[in-house]
Amino acid sequence: GAVVSQHPSWVICKSGTSVKIECRSLDFQATTMFWYRQFPKQSLMLMATSNEGSKATYEQGVEKDKFLINHASLTLSTLTVTSAHPEDSSFYICSAKPTGGVGETQYFGPGTRLLVL
Amino acid sequence: AQKVTQAQTEISVVEKEDVTLDCVYETRDTTYYLFWYKQPPSGELVFLIRRNSFDEQNEISGRYSWNFQKSTSSFNFTITASQVVDSAVYFCALSEANAGGTSYGKLTFGQGTILTVHP
Repeated sequence: GAVVSQHPSWVICKSGTSVKIECRSLDFQATTMFWYRQFPKQSLMLMATSNEGSKATYEQGVEKDKFLINHASLTLSTLTVTSAHPEDSSFYICSAKPTGGVGETQYFGPGTRLLVL
Repeated sequence: AQKVTQAQTEISVVEKEDVTLDCVYETRDTTYYLFWYKQPPSGELVFLIRRNSFDEQNEISGRYSWNFQKSTSSFNFTITASQVVDSAVYFCALSEANAGGTSYGKLTFGQGTILTVHP
């Protein structure tokens, strides 16, 4: 089956630093990827839609200058949390839609846990 | 706007009991997709089922079954003869689709139901 990886799986950083999270589709191409955030014991909330070769589309309330998304290739999207603060500590999950595949199919990565001290 | 409601925050059962997880959704679209995902403690989402709005046929997969009723905007999930390994958080989700029936891919998740199955 289709596999999506995320790197790193865990990251601990100091407040004020920037953290980059990678989302890769390993065996398929993905024109569109999605980034979700999940706080402890809460649901997943869509942050943004990442489209290869164009600007990401952010959901209402998500600061695009803080959460930089770059979808540089058909297999890689990155999320950079700039000047991270403790309130950004969360579980970040990406998903990828196969290019040319059945529209409703998407595959989730294993997630990245971010802890900002 | 879309909305998914899972009214049961937590459910606790004893092994071998049947358990039903409720999901009610709201959408203005006539074409949409409904999903159920399982999230074990590791955090990785496990896809369970996808159903489009035109297919109201109920589905059974082993101990799992799903009841989709458009008249009540519900998509309930039943686990028969529950097992300890079923303990996880279960999410119901909704995705709108375009006129051609293709999902936009953006998922709206319910709040999740924590299922604990005791031995």
